[in-house]
Amino acid sequence: DSGVTQTPKHLITATGQRVTLRCSPRSGDLSVYWYQQSLDQGLQFLIHYYNGEERAKGNILERFSAQQFPDLHSELNLSSLELGDSALYFCASSVGLAGTGEQYFGPGTRLTVT
Amino acid sequence: AQRVTQPEKLLSVFKGAPVELKCNYSYSGSPELFWYVQYSRQRLQLLLRHISRESIKGFTADLNKGETSFHLKKPFAQEEDSAMYYCALRDRGSTLGRLYFGRGTQLTVWP
Repeated sequence: DSGVTQTPKHLITATGQRVTLRCSPRSGDLSVYWYQQSLDQGLQFLIHYYNGEERAKGNILERFSAQQFPDLHSELNLSSLELGDSALYFCASSVGLAGTGEQYFGPGTRLTVT
Repeated sequence: AQRVTQPEKLLSVFKGAPVELKCNYSYSGSPELFWYVQYSRQRLQLLLRHISRESIKGFTADLNKGETSFHLKKPFAQEEDSAMYYCALRDRGSTLGRLYFGRGTQLTVWP
């Protein structure tokens, strides 16, 4: 167990809907990263938050947004869902901002869009 | 641009045989290389990082800057090594920690 938790574990929804994925980092970790794992794109970085502030964006669609709250948990919001958004969404946390610490991954949320 | 290439999507070996999972990278900065393992669609776990130069579960990996490679090796594969392996890169010179992943290699170790 990495100490990173994600809810829900599974999510099934219809096209056009909106969902929110939640991530709680390890105690003391200030950085949260979101990654999308799909069969055709592999593992792709979406967005990085540090202590409540957005730090970097990757291949994140405009329909997707995220935030990190004062208690450091993070939410990834996916709207106007399409079939192609079906994927496993991971979050990872690390203690600092700089790229020196290990990233600990959560168990992921499996999103199925029907 | 950063790129991590894992040329083998699938790799199968028999138990006790040596195994090598290939990883090549292209990066203009100062990279830090990692190997992550994912068992049966579970969470990713860090297996190795090149700066540690350690052996985990019998696996080793050496960063070859000349060949820009970071191949993962194990002399005697075990059935429990069957998993998805991802090579990843991070910019050591950056204040950001995002990882760039390869497409992964599914290793199957047959009994």
